[in-house]
Amino acid sequence: EVQLVESGGALVQPGGSLRLSCAASGFTFISHWMHWVRQAPGKGLVWVSRIKSDGTITNYADSVKGRFTISRDNAKNTLYLQMTSLRAEDTAVYFCVRDGGADFFDNWGQGTLVTVSS
Amino acid sequence: SYVLTQPPSVSVAPGKTAGITCGGNNIETKSVHWYQQKPGQAPVLVIYYDSDRPSGIPERFSGSNSGNTATLTISTVEAGDEADYYCQVWDRSSDHVVFGGGTKLTVL
Repeated sequence: EVQLVESGGALVQPGGSLRLSCAASGFTFISHWMHWVRQAPGKGLVWVSRIKSDGTITNYADSVKGRFTISRDNAKNTLYLQMTSLRAEDTAVYFCVRDGGADFFDNWGQGTLVTVSS
Repeated sequence: SYVLTQPPSVSVAPGKTAGITCGGNNIETKSVHWYQQKPGQAPVLVIYYDSDRPSGIPERFSGSNSGNTATLTISTVEAGDEADYYCQVWDRSSDHVVFGGGTKLTVL
């Protein structure tokens, strides 16, 4: 069974930093692109970033480019999202998502809540 | 950047058919994927590549894509289908994933 378990969400002040982790199991992690998708309270889904299976290609939404960094450790089956210069508008549940093969998302974690507030 | 437009809400009586649209410029040239999200839960893929169903998704869920509109159709709607539905594409020109704004399906 595919499992994606996010951690690292917290309350952080504006301008602060946070690193999210996603522990993957139940599938061959190194074979899949991985993504982060976020959802602000009461709002819709917004794509954040993606990373190729071997980590050599990354892409970011314009709203986070230059502030967030996606990475992965294939030896540990873990996906990361390093977030810096956090803003109130970054407040959201962050989902770790597996790419099903052509930029669709066939498995989602339960999400981790990031709250940016003073 | 590419924009996907969904109606904010759709209402349907139990047993009837619901159609949820997703509009985008020449969307027929893209592969459209659909997700169902119930309150407090993570989204679930219900349709991929315009009309394919993942294992475990009932045949009542189907999809189509033509011209500037993709459509998710749910036949013989049940109370348990009440949820938010999102369409999604990959925009090759920007290397970005794009979601529609979501549609709340209400079963009357």
